[in-house]
Amino acid sequence: QLQLQESGPGLVKPSETLSLSCSVSGDSISSSSYLWGWIRQPPGKGLEWIGSISYSGSAYYNPSLKSRVTISVDTSENQFSLKLTSVTAADTAVYYCARQPVAADKTFDCWGQGTLVTVSS
Amino acid sequence: EIVMTQSPATLSVSPGERATLSCRASQSVNSNLAWYQQKPGQAPRLLIYGASTRATGIPARFSGSGSGTEFTLTISGLQSEDFAVYYCQQYNTWRTFGQGTKLEIK
Repeated sequence: QLQLQESGPGLVKPSETLSLSCSVSGDSISSSSYLWGWIRQPPGKGLEWIGSISYSGSAYYNPSLKSRVTISVDTSENQFSLKLTSVTAADTAVYYCARQPVAADKTFDCWGQGTLVTVSS
Repeated sequence: EIVMTQSPATLSVSPGERATLSCRASQSVNSNLAWYQQKPGQAPRLLIYGASTRATGIPARFSGSGSGTEFTLTISGLQSEDFAVYYCQQYNTWRTFGQGTKLEIK
């Protein structure tokens, strides 16, 4: 059974870099059948796609965040990661990682439980 | 950026009845439209992709329709577990979500 688990600091200071990882179990991240994505949700608000990556490392990002985002993949650890630089309070959100099957049009078919990241001094 | 607008913001329906949720795109997204359900404290769950294809394990009471800029999610015979927030998402150009429709018990 596929499981995704986000991990990383729950509190980040303004202007610093937010770093999260997503560990994948129950499936191999090294498959051309999937992309792997990050989505966030500010408290009480809607969803925002951050970016996605393939097992080969090809990444693409939300244009509104592109200048601050880097997503990378580590096939040896079966995980992928998110870095968001120069954070502000507006980056406070629950951050989710998710699988994107090619067979399902690369929509988000399996999600992690999410991790709350608060940006505050 | 393609803006997705959902209506209504809140929909009150009685159990056993039908709910109809709408989603409009600011420009055509063809059939590249998905629907998700989210319950409090949980991650979203994929219901529909390709505007009308049910995801694995999704009951037949959930159906999607539409193409271009106008889409509808219909839930027939509402059950207690269906009351949640529903989001549409386009993936024709990058990915953007609607602001959500809260389906509440009438």
